[in-house]
Amino acid sequence: DTEVTQTPKHLVMGMTNKKSLKCEQHLGHNAMYWYKQSAKKPLELMFVYNFKEQTENNSVPSRFSPECPNSSHLFLHLHTLQPEDSALYLCASSALTSGGGETQYFGPGTRLLVL
Amino acid sequence: DAKTTQPNSMESNEEEPVHLPCNHSTISGTDYIHWYRQLPSQGPEYVIHGLTSNVNNRMASLAIAEDRKSSTLILHRATLRDAAVYYCILRRPGSARQLTFGSGTQLTVLP
Repeated sequence: DTEVTQTPKHLVMGMTNKKSLKCEQHLGHNAMYWYKQSAKKPLELMFVYNFKEQTENNSVPSRFSPECPNSSHLFLHLHTLQPEDSALYLCASSALTSGGGETQYFGPGTRLLVL
Repeated sequence: DAKTTQPNSMESNEEEPVHLPCNHSTISGTDYIHWYRQLPSQGPEYVIHGLTSNVNNRMASLAIAEDRKSSTLILHRATLRDAAVYYCILRRPGSARQLTFGSGTQLTVLP
């Protein structure tokens, strides 16, 4: 069982579709993240939210739009994606600390295929 | 965050210990050493972390060299369920919050 949940598990969409990925955590964490994992590549950070405020946007194209309505929920809105955006999208959360021992908890991911 | 170097792949026999090495020669004095693993078709999972002293938990042990330029993740008895990609990551207090993943080590456990 994972304490960070993501829906849907799989998503197939056309390039003109609009869809959203959802992430939820009830760990009491106040930081949430979106990562992208393309085939044969390391995980790449996309966005970071601290206390619902976006603090990091890692040069992500505007066709990806994050939303964090509260500390427990994170969305990734997808619009006019390209086939190269097909990947595993992972959500993570952590409890903000000032030390380097902060650990992140990952969801199982959403496997996205753009046709 | 400073860079880490890991072997691309390693093999182990089931029920034998596994030592996964990580080199981090440019580590700073305040960098923590974290290990995560990613099982097939799953998100990464935290394994263990440490600063200077060796650490043990229910999943693994972390041995840190005295000069901190390298560390070793030790799985005491590998099982088939330990087959995964293992990532060694350095975290600096106060740095950007994301984890910077490298390519990791693909561990294969042979029955």
